[in-house]
Amino acid sequence: QVQLVQSGAEVKKPGASVKVSCKASGYSFTSYYIHWVRQAPGQGLEWVGIINPGSGSTTYAQKFQGRVTMTRDTSTSTIYMDLSSLRFEDTAVYYCAREAPMGAFDYWGQGTLVTVSS
Amino acid sequence: DLVMTQSPDSLAVSLGERATINCKSSQSVLYSSNNKNYLAWYQQKPGQPPKLLIYWASTRESGVPDRFSGSVSGTDFTLTISSLQAEDVAVYYCQQYYTTPYTFGQGTKLELK
Repeated sequence: QVQLVQSGAEVKKPGASVKVSCKASGYSFTSYYIHWVRQAPGQGLEWVGIINPGSGSTTYAQKFQGRVTMTRDTSTSTIYMDLSSLRFEDTAVYYCAREAPMGAFDYWGQGTLVTVSS
Repeated sequence: DLVMTQSPDSLAVSLGERATINCKSSQSVLYSSNNKNYLAWYQQKPGQPPKLLIYWASTRESGVPDRFSGSVSGTDFTLTISSLQAEDVAVYYCQQYYTTPYTFGQGTKLELK
């Protein structure tokens, strides 16, 4: 069965970086794009960006340009999202999600809480 | 960016009654090449990731009960739950996947009356 399993919760100080992982299983890793979506406490969903695991190509939301980097390791079927220069407002649950052939997100990771606190 | 606006922000419905959630996109999300609206609906319960309910505005995802339906009129989209069950209490989001950045509505909280 398709699974996206994310790394555990992180606590970081302002200005630091965080790297969240998303390990895929149960399907052909390079055949489906992966998106990252975040959700601040009590708030809605915000799209962060997308990576093509096959080619490694990425597109990021303008808001995160220069601070976010998405990479993949095809040998372990793992996607990484690196967010730098962390601010208090980056405190959120970060989800990875698989893009289905029709374009919507059919499978989601369990979420990783990133807390930015001094 | 394409803006998705949901209404209402919250909704209280009795068990067995109909629930209707609206979503309006700031521009068309219709691909002329396949005549599909690139609009999805998700359900999110506390402490869980979102769950895909509807894609292409009106196609139910596999395993989703048929009391959930989606419709479209131009740039206005509707999610309808025909007969509310207790397990449907959740927050519902629309999302356009027509163009990046893929944007979500602000969410509609559905509660029991």
